[in-house]
Amino acid sequence: AQSVTQPDIHITVSEGASLELRCNYSYGATPYLFWYVQSPGQGLQLLLKYFSGDTLVQGIKGFEAEFKRSQSSFNLRKPSVHWSDAAEYFCAVGASGSSNTGKLIFGQGTTLQVKP
Amino acid sequence: KAGVTQTPRYLIKTRGQQVTLSCSPISGHRSVSWYQQTPGQGLQFLFEYFSETQRNKGNFPGRFSGRQFSNSRSEMNVSTLELGDSALYLCASSRTAEGLTEAFFGQGTRLTVV
Repeated sequence: AQSVTQPDIHITVSEGASLELRCNYSYGATPYLFWYVQSPGQGLQLLLKYFSGDTLVQGIKGFEAEFKRSQSSFNLRKPSVHWSDAAEYFCAVGASGSSNTGKLIFGQGTTLQVKP
Repeated sequence: KAGVTQTPRYLIKTRGQQVTLSCSPISGHRSVSWYQQTPGQGLQFLFEYFSETQRNKGNFPGRFSGRQFSNSRSEMNVSTLELGDSALYLCASSRTAEGLTEAFFGQGTRLTVV
């Protein structure tokens, strides 16, 4: 069965420091991978996506992620965190195939706190 | 370009009642998916509609149902509400290709069952 694991429930970093949020997935074929961000009381905003091709993908707000098939990982990175990045981050996998249309499987999320 | 619009934003209902939530997708998007978000279970897929047909369904009881109209707007209905149905319900729309699920989410409807 497809699954997504975000090992870190909560991460605190200082403003200006670098950030890496971990994501591991379990899926038989090549997955479609996504990172979303959610501010309190809000919906999910798409940060970036990986479908195929270059394994390093750039997203909005200065985020990037690297797909590593050998490690089944899709970690999110940012070189310098801003206080406004404090939010909850979700990694998700979209299953391929006609029977899986419209379905995203999400990790449990990582809450990012930014210290001044 | 307007985003995904969900109404209402907040709802308070009593156990045993039923509720209908609405979702208007991004213009041109024909696929609408629904998710339930709770602190304990996280984000869980409810169902997906495309061209007025349910194509995919998650593992939820039959009390949860939905439909899609010809203009791609979608509604979900929960009957005989239980306290455990309290959650943030999120709708997502996508332009969709076969199995491709780049989804754009609405702000959600916060349902509280008392």
